[in-house]
Parts: sequence; C-alpha cells; structure tokens
Amino acid sequence: AQSVTQLDSHVSVSEGTPVLLRCNYSSSYSPSLFWYVQHPNKGLQLLLKYTSAATLVKGINGFEAEFKKSETSFHLTKPSAHMSDAAEYFCVVISMDSSYKLIFGSGTRLLVRP
Amino acid sequence: NAGVTQTPKFQVLKTGQSMTLQCAQDMNHEYMSWYRQDPGMGLRLIHYSVGAGITDQGEVPNGYNVSRSTTEDFPLRLLSAAPSQTSVYFCASSYSKGQQNEKLFFGSGTQLSVL
Repeated sequence: AQSVTQLDSHVSVSEGTPVLLRCNYSSSYSPSLFWYVQHPNKGLQLLLKYTSAATLVKGINGFEAEFKKSETSFHLTKPSAHMSDAAEYFCVVISMDSSYKLIFGSGTRLLVRP
Repeated sequence: NAGVTQTPKFQVLKTGQSMTLQCAQDMNHEYMSWYRQDPGMGLRLIHYSVGAGITDQGEVPNGYNVSRSTTEDFPLRLLSAAPSQTSVYFCASSYSKGQQNEKLFFGSGTQLSVL
C-alpha cells in the first residue's frame, strides 16, 4: 500500500531564508507524488506533481521538489520564503489500485517570520 | 465558471440531528469526492464517485451516506450526527480518475461542529 510521512508538523523560517518541507513515501510501485498547499480558511491547491518524467519538479510560486528514489523522499523546497508562503502543505501519493485515490500526509504548517 | 461550490460554510448540530452538506461543480467533472480534515491527520477520504450513479467508500465512510444522481451534484448526508464528526469537510472534483485524478479542484470547505 502507498503512504506518505511528513516529518515535521510545523516549520518556522524567516522571510528571505530557504524553505525545506520533508516528505518520505512508501510505495511498491513507481509512485505519483504531489504537493498541495492550503492557505488559511481556503481549499487546497495543487502546487506541483511528480509522475516520473523528471526527478526535479518545478511548481508554482517558486517551489520545487526533488524525487529521490534511493532515499524514498520527495522534499519541497524554496530558495527564499515570502510572507505569503505561510500555509499548510500536504504531501500526497496516488493510490495505485483501481480507485486512484489520493492519500494525504498529515500536513506541515509553514510559519514565516518577518 | 464557479468551480466547486460547497454549502453551508459553517454548521452547528446537536447529537442525533441529520443534515446534508451540498457540493456542486460546473466543470463537467466525472470524479467527485468528500474528505474530512482533522488536526494532525491530513485529509481522509470519506466517499467518492467516478460518475453519475456510481459511488464507493473511502477510508472513513461510517456515519455518512452519498448519492450521485447527476454529474454536477454530490451531497454528503449525516443521518445521526455524533461529536466525532466535528471536522472540516471538503468536496473535490476532477476530470476523471486515473492519472488525471491528481489535479483535484477543492471547494472552500464546511466547518461542522456537533455538540
């Protein structure tokens, strides 16, 4: 069965410093992985996705993620945090059974200090 | 094009009451789903539908019913509300299941409290 583990429930950074949100996955197959973002009191929005075309995936708002099979990781990074990046981020894997359901991690709340 | 519309945004129920959370999408999406979001647990799938007339259970279906009589609408029913159902509920849709399923379009959520 597929699953994802987000290693930090909260991450706090200063504006202008790098962001690293960690995600490890478990999958018997080559997984399809995603990051979703949820801003306060809003629905979720797709940030980026990995579907085996390239290991470094670029998303919206300057975020990117690198798929590392040897480490079973799919960490989300951004070189310089902005106040508007404060949100909750979810690492997601797609179920490879016939339902193709999305399986969400527990989320990482990103706090950006001025 | 309104996207995914959920109503109501907030609801308070007493234990044992019933209610229906409404979800509608105007994008002609085949796939629709309901999630609940609880602190520290991410989003968990309640029920989903791959097309009109077809529904299936997700990870946490107990206490909830769904139907899909039209492509546009996918209501979620609580027949007898319990405090454990206090949560934020999200409806989501996508064009189809399979590899396109990852791009879910989410509604803005319903915050439900059961006293």
